[in-house]
Formats: sequence, C-alpha cells, structure tokens
Amino acid sequence: SQQGEEDPQALSIQEGENATMNCSYKTSINNLQWYRQNSGRGLVHLILIRSNEREKHSGRLRVTLDTSKKSSSLLITASRAADTASYFCATDPGNGWSGYALNFGKGTSLLVTP
Amino acid sequence: DTGVSQDPRHKITKRGQNVTFRCDPISEHNRLYWYRQTLGQGPEFLTYFQNEAQLEKSRLLSDRFSAERPKGSFSTLEIQRTEQGDSAMYLCASRPDGQNQETQYFGPGTRLLVL
Repeated sequence: SQQGEEDPQALSIQEGENATMNCSYKTSINNLQWYRQNSGRGLVHLILIRSNEREKHSGRLRVTLDTSKKSSSLLITASRAADTASYFCATDPGNGWSGYALNFGKGTSLLVTP
Repeated sequence: DTGVSQDPRHKITKRGQNVTFRCDPISEHNRLYWYRQTLGQGPEFLTYFQNEAQLEKSRLLSDRFSAERPKGSFSTLEIQRTEQGDSAMYLCASRPDGQNQETQYFGPGTRLLVL
C-alpha cells in the first residue's frame, strides 16, 4: 500500500506561474523526499526535508513539512515548460525497516504550457 | 559517477516466459532497491539488498520473482512464468550507507510488457 497521497492528482498552469503540490502521509517519518519523473523515465531526486525541519529551499523549489499534520508541500516558482512531469513525494520511515525503502504516493501530474 | 543503469530498457514477452533484468548501481553504493511502478501509480517497494545480502522482500514479490546481488555490485531481478499483471516499469535505486545519505538514486527503469 502507498503511504503518501499527493493533491491535486493533476495540475495545469501557464509558464511563469507558481505550482503548488501537497502530500499527506500516515505514519511517522525520518524524512520526506520529492522526486520528479518525466514520462516513461526514471525518477530524479529534487529535495529532501528531515522531520526536524520545517522549510527548505533549492533553486526555484520550496518545500515545507508539518509533522503534526503529516503533510508537506512542494512549491515550484516561475514554472517553465520543462517542469512538465509527474511529481512524487516519498516518505522514509527511518525505523530500520527495509533499509529505509521509500514509500511513494501516486503523484501529481504537472503540465506547464507556454 | 555514471549513475544507475538498467538493462534492458524495454522488454516485450509472451505470457509464461521468463525474463531477467539487470541493474548496475552507482559504484560503492552498498544499498540497492528494486521497485515496481504501474501506470498512474507511484513506485512500490519490492526488495532491498545491503551489499550481497537480500534483507527484505515485499509481499508484492511472489514466488515467481527472485533477485540476486551475487558480489554486492550489480543485481538481477528474474520473473518466472510471467503473467499479464507483471506488466510494469521495474526501477532500481541505490544509495550509500551512513547517516545523512538517505537520497536514493534511480535508474531509467525497465519497462516490461507481457502479452
């Protein structure tokens, strides 16, 4: 079963606009990671936020984490057509199970139109 | 650092046939993971290796599936007597040991279609 759940399932915006994706999860975590997947390709790691962190930035990406609500958000600012992809949140339970195998949500499909 | 590689990238097979996929992790990454991803879903964990030892297997990994990592470097995933429900993208990921090393690096995947 999948741990995380992204919202919305699909998002369509124009270039230059900001895109916000949300992720909710069920159990305690060590960290939460966001990955991007272009159609039919492997996953590319974007950013990792630890359970004791509340916000993290990387370039045009901003991630927040609220462990009390078991939720995270990914903000992509000034989006570009090249940002078109599926975005997944993945939780790391950090409890020794499965060598910290990641639990992925179903993803948000982002379409950025010129 | 050449990244994680997987071979083949695509495989079409007939139901009942056996298939084998290969994953070459980033060198010196002790931990290796296999995931399966079906259309419209996120990846789901299949199995995990620490060096050559297979330490965990998901319930998704039926008896028809077997994975090996004989020398602690590359890994293979074999599916025997394939079924149409095995059609999916099979992803491999690796990461090093140690704290603050939680990022997993994924390969491009092997897309399997069982006819």
